[in-house]
Amino acid sequence: DTEVTQTPKHLVMGMTNKKSLKCEQHMGHRAMYWYKQKAKKPPELMFVYSYEKLSINESVPSRFSPECPNSSLLNLHLHALQPEDSALYLCASSQEERTTGIGYTFGSGTRLTVV
Amino acid sequence: GQQVMQIPQYQHVQEGEDFTTYCNSSTTLSNIQWYKQRPGGHPVFLIQLVKSGEVKKQKRLTFQFGEAKKNSSLHITATQTTDVGTYFCAGKKYNFNKFYFGSGTKLNVKP
Repeated sequence: DTEVTQTPKHLVMGMTNKKSLKCEQHMGHRAMYWYKQKAKKPPELMFVYSYEKLSINESVPSRFSPECPNSSLLNLHLHALQPEDSALYLCASSQEERTTGIGYTFGSGTRLTVV
Repeated sequence: GQQVMQIPQYQHVQEGEDFTTYCNSSTTLSNIQWYKQRPGGHPVFLIQLVKSGEVKKQKRLTFQFGEAKKNSSLHITATQTTDVGTYFCAGKKYNFNKFYFGSGTKLNVKP
């Protein structure tokens, strides 16, 4: 299995809702990432988990809450989002946080719309 | 501010023409990666460059890392319609465990 699976593919949520994005990989990768991508922009790093521990938080607002239950799963809990948070949310994984030359494997993303 | 600059922003070519995108950093990079993102898709890893002056080829794609490790380029020879997409470089600085994505170059190939 050489894929990163993200669910759901599309999500519409109200500003008072609580929802979660899920990401799963079975490649044995020990580093997992959340990126946010707005239209016509590059991916922006949000969080990095290394060996199931939060390694980097790019000053992301607390309405985004990451969780890594085990080495294969990564969640992003959403609460009280704003319309400007609408974007494509990408999960990625790599063998380790320190690059090994194989690059990141990205999931197909969750397209989030906040109304 | 922008850590890694990429030019051009857009490039429209006729099928069969060549294409080049350039990536520039104000600081020395430990390594650089290149990704391709098809319209409506997600970034797909193409290659990583680590050594100063390194050149790598993948069929019609040639990747270069500058001698000072501050710039990189991706050159596509004889473009095809399947090359359509946005090409991103992602640079990693020494002692930083994260990659900074360039702004991307969107390539459109007319048949």
